[in-house]
Amino acid sequence: AQSVTQLDSHVSVSEGTPVLLRCNYSSSYSPSLFWYVQHPNKGLQLLLKYTSAATLVKGINGFEAEFKKSETSFHLTKPSAHMSDAAEYFCVVSDRNDYKLSFGAGTTVTVRA
Amino acid sequence: GAGVSQTPSNKVTEKGKYVELRCDPISGHTALYWYRQSLGQGPEFLIYFQGTGAADDSGLPNDRFFAVRPEGSVSTLKIQRTERGDSAVYLCASSFLAGDNEQFFGPGTRLTVL
Repeated sequence: AQSVTQLDSHVSVSEGTPVLLRCNYSSSYSPSLFWYVQHPNKGLQLLLKYTSAATLVKGINGFEAEFKKSETSFHLTKPSAHMSDAAEYFCVVSDRNDYKLSFGAGTTVTVRA
Repeated sequence: GAGVSQTPSNKVTEKGKYVELRCDPISGHTALYWYRQSLGQGPEFLIYFQGTGAADDSGLPNDRFFAVRPEGSVSTLKIQRTERGDSAVYLCASSFLAGDNEQFFGPGTRLTVL
């Protein structure tokens, strides 16, 4: 069984400063890991996905995440926050060949002008 | 092309009533998934369709919940005798490949049971 813990329920940053969203996972097998973003009244949008290739994964809108097996972590970062980054972010894990996605509880990001 | 669409976007009903929630997946996607997102939580898996059949309904909370996909495209999630605890956002997703974990999500239907 797999599970995800998002270590921060809420992150507040100033526009132009770095963003760090922390995620730890638990998985019985080789995991696939994802970050999704959810803007108000919009569907979940895939930011990036890790399978088994490079441990540093680049996604859309300047986000990237690093898979660290020894730490069972998959933290999401962005060097410079933009106002449009204000949203809910979900870390997600699934077993490599499984369709069931296990979501974390989410991290709400607010961006101050 | 069009993404996953869900109707209605909002549904308010009274306790004990029956509701239907509709999902139109991306054209050509063979697999369809339903998730439920309660307030302040991440989405939780409900059911997975491969074609017309429910390949995995292990996430349905009880027998008041049922879903169909009669022609292998549009799906309807049906909830009988609704309870206040059923209030949540119901999300639909689809994938091109069967049982793929790269899924594309719709905007959801917000169900409120009074």
